[in-house]
Amino acid sequence: GENVEQHPSTLSVQEGDSAVIKCTYSDSASNYFPWYKQELGKGPQLIIDIRSNVGEKKDQRIAVTLNKTAKHFSLHITETQPEDSAVYFCAAFSFNDYKLSFGAGTTVTVRA
Amino acid sequence: DGGITQSPKYLFRKEGQNVTLSCEQNLNHDAMYWYRQDPGQGLRLIYYSQIVNDFQKGDIAEGYSVSREKKESFPLTVTSAQKNPTAFYLCASSIGGDSNQPQHFGDGTRLSIL
Repeated sequence: GENVEQHPSTLSVQEGDSAVIKCTYSDSASNYFPWYKQELGKGPQLIIDIRSNVGEKKDQRIAVTLNKTAKHFSLHITETQPEDSAVYFCAAFSFNDYKLSFGAGTTVTVRA
Repeated sequence: DGGITQSPKYLFRKEGQNVTLSCEQNLNHDAMYWYRQDPGQGLRLIYYSQIVNDFQKGDIAEGYSVSREKKESFPLTVTSAQKNPTAFYLCASSIGGDSNQPQHFGDGTRLSIL
């Protein structure tokens, strides 16, 4: 099955700086890559996603890049704000088993 | 408002007891999912259902059971056979289970052992 690895596990940034989270996947049949933000005591919320026919996607301060050849994708948050503090999960959907496989998560702390 | 509702928010189970977690969605989604979340780990798939009256085991189905009698409801029963049930349980839904469509999550149920 698909194996998704996520790094780093924790990330502390100064307010206004950028944050980057990286994920790798193993299954070449994966073609959909969502990113979720989870706040304490809440369920994950979809913040951005990308499909394998696209190399980059941007939504205001959030961007995602995908390198299919290297099987890795990244989340970029620019001009970080305290409300960006949360746990972020990457995931990959594979047509081999029709399942969404998740990374272990990155705890992002934005220091004021 | 459309969304996914999980209840209760907190649940306590005694040894040897079965408990059922509720998940309801009004998004008219065909597919529904149950995940388990443990500290420091990603979400792990317990069961999923692509259509009413049909469901499949995920990666960690042992000790759990589900039913899908209605499109909007997908309850999860944690049986006494699940020896380590303490976790945060998340329900999700998507338009279709056989396509790469976004999954939307509820706010979870935290299950603890008394």
